[in-house]
Amino acid sequence: AQSVTQLDSQVPVFEEAPVELRCNYSSSVSVYLFWYVQYPNQGLQLLLKYLSGSTLVKSINGFEAEFNKSQTSFHLRKPSVHISDTAEYFCAVSVGGGGADGLTFGKGTHLIIQP
Amino acid sequence: GAVVSQHPSWVICKSGTSVKIECRSLDFQATTMFWYRQFPKQSLMLMATSNEGSKATYEQGVEKDKFLINHASLTLSTLTVTSAHPEDSSFYICSAGTSGRQYEQYFGPGTRLTVT
Repeated sequence: AQSVTQLDSQVPVFEEAPVELRCNYSSSVSVYLFWYVQYPNQGLQLLLKYLSGSTLVKSINGFEAEFNKSQTSFHLRKPSVHISDTAEYFCAVSVGGGGADGLTFGKGTHLIIQP
Repeated sequence: GAVVSQHPSWVICKSGTSVKIECRSLDFQATTMFWYRQFPKQSLMLMATSNEGSKATYEQGVEKDKFLINHASLTLSTLTVTSAHPEDSSFYICSAGTSGRQYEQYFGPGTRLTVT
């Protein structure tokens, strides 16, 4: 079985400051890693994913995450946040790929951007 | 593209009654659909996985007879909470995967169930 730990339930950050949302996972087999974002009153949206290859993956809106196998981590970072980044962020893992296999989620981190 | 809807968005029912929640993929064919449950300030917990035309596969600890899942077509899955009790009150979220995009699930906005 897999598990995901998001160490921070809430992260307040000033606008234009950098942010890191932490995610650690536990699994006895290789996994695929995902970050999902949930804006208020909306469904979860895929932010970025690591499947294989380069350990650094990037999204179109400036977020990036780095897969670290030795530390079993997949932390999410952004060098400069905007008010519009205020949302709930979920880290998730999947054994089978995510489309045909259920996801195991962390508890989520609420990113609060302060002006 | 890849929009998933849920209906209703919020439902209140009396203890002992049954309630049905619909999940639809609006612009793609969902070969696999998933149902999750989310408690306040908790993570999403996978309840079951269903493939079109097949019986759902339930996660350990999920009561099959209480949470009936039907995936009758490539665009519709339903979750029926039978004989609902207050402890079934929760946020239910569906998602859909398609064979053409193996690594992505598309999530609905969720349904809040309150059992009184």
